[in-house]
Amino acid sequence: DAKTTQPPSMDCAEGRAANLPCNHSTISGNEYVYWYRQIHSQGPQYIIHGLKNNETNEMASLIITEDRKSSTLILPHATLRDTAVYYCIVRPYNAGNNRKLIWGLGTSLAVNP
Amino acid sequence: KAGVTQTPRYLIKTRGQQVTLSCSPISGHRSVSWYQQTPGQGLQFLFEYFSETQRNKGNFPGRFSGRQFSNSRSEMNVSTLELGDSALYLCASRRGTGENIQYFGAGTRLSVL
Repeated sequence: DAKTTQPPSMDCAEGRAANLPCNHSTISGNEYVYWYRQIHSQGPQYIIHGLKNNETNEMASLIITEDRKSSTLILPHATLRDTAVYYCIVRPYNAGNNRKLIWGLGTSLAVNP
Repeated sequence: KAGVTQTPRYLIKTRGQQVTLSCSPISGHRSVSWYQQTPGQGLQFLFEYFSETQRNKGNFPGRFSGRQFSNSRSEMNVSTLELGDSALYLCASRRGTGENIQYFGAGTRLSVL
């Protein structure tokens, strides 16, 4: 599976939008982009995923560039509870081998009051 | 419905001992994966079980083993503990190996002294 690159840390003011970037320049045509986050002392939590179209759910929005080499996770109104490590990973849809996933170190987002 | 449950939450062991960790997946989920998380390393895949069979295995020594029961509950065992085995061990479940969204437990924090 393709590897992703994320900034190690970011800050955001409470109530503002948090925009978390992810580069996946070697992504293949059949690979989806998945985002998870890990709040301190908890396991990772699924947020959203997409292939090439922008996606939105109750937690966040996902913007994928037209060439699919990068994406941005948007938390529209960040709260203190959004402070977490955010992971961007890519994998083929319905390709079940978790062994091939590359999680990386993610982006540590600090939402400040 | 109940999420993924891992027990115990915390463990302290000494070198040379062995340890068994337990994971109860979400009801209806038949696939269970185990990960090791250490600072600076991200999530490292240990193994995945589906229908009581190990489907994939990561690059860990044979001291790390696991099993899955008929009710999908899973255990992992680490024998002859080493200091470097200190980590957060995470369990994740999904409906089947073709389902890409994983649901994680809160993890077991193992400290080896």
